[in-house]
Amino acid sequence: QKEVEQDPGPLSVPEGAIVSLNCTYSNSAFQYFMWYRQYSRKGPELLMYTYSSGNKEDGRFTAQVDKSSKYISLFIRDSQPSDSATYLCAMKGNNAGNMLTFGGGTRLMVKP
Amino acid sequence: EADIYQTPRYLVIGTGKKITLECSQTMGHDKMYWYQQDPGMELHLIHYSYGVNSTEKGDLSSESTVSRIRTEHFPLTLESARPSHTSQYLCASSEYNDQPQHFGDGTRLSIL
Repeated sequence: QKEVEQDPGPLSVPEGAIVSLNCTYSNSAFQYFMWYRQYSRKGPELLMYTYSSGNKEDGRFTAQVDKSSKYISLFIRDSQPSDSATYLCAMKGNNAGNMLTFGGGTRLMVKP
Repeated sequence: EADIYQTPRYLVIGTGKKITLECSQTMGHDKMYWYQQDPGMELHLIHYSYGVNSTEKGDLSSESTVSRIRTEHFPLTLESARPSHTSQYLCASSEYNDQPQHFGDGTRLSIL
């Protein structure tokens, strides 16, 4: 079983929809949680970075961490075609030497 | 915005050739990383460095080698390329242990 599980999709939604992307994990030592967006033929771009449990909002993006359930989410409001990409969750513990464990990514398609 | 550059972006080359993939960052980050990413799959760490003259192997076994002679430069070398080395190689850097990693746009390598 992988340490971080992420539904690969593809997830197809109409423009303007609210998108929910999720990851589950098994390692209770994970403390830092990230969401990256990766366009085709590009490197991952950091979207959200959170520490421990709680919510963080940045524009149309909201990240949620529920450590008790080992579950993290990324919500995208008013989704746009330009949001079409693969979304990767990543996480690490306090003593991990800054090495990350990634999910496999969810491919999102927002249709005009 | 992160300034991390990888060259070449694409490389198609024959079996047995020696290859060096370049990665440079202008942010003065001590920590640098190399990942391998196959289509639709998660990123796997193959090498990392905590600073000049520091290199370590990552979770995924790789026949490649790295060097870190200067802070800003972290090249990856394959002495004799094989078709099994065909993949996308992503370079990343970070400042401190509790800071996120920032990625370059990758080198898409194809060995014939």
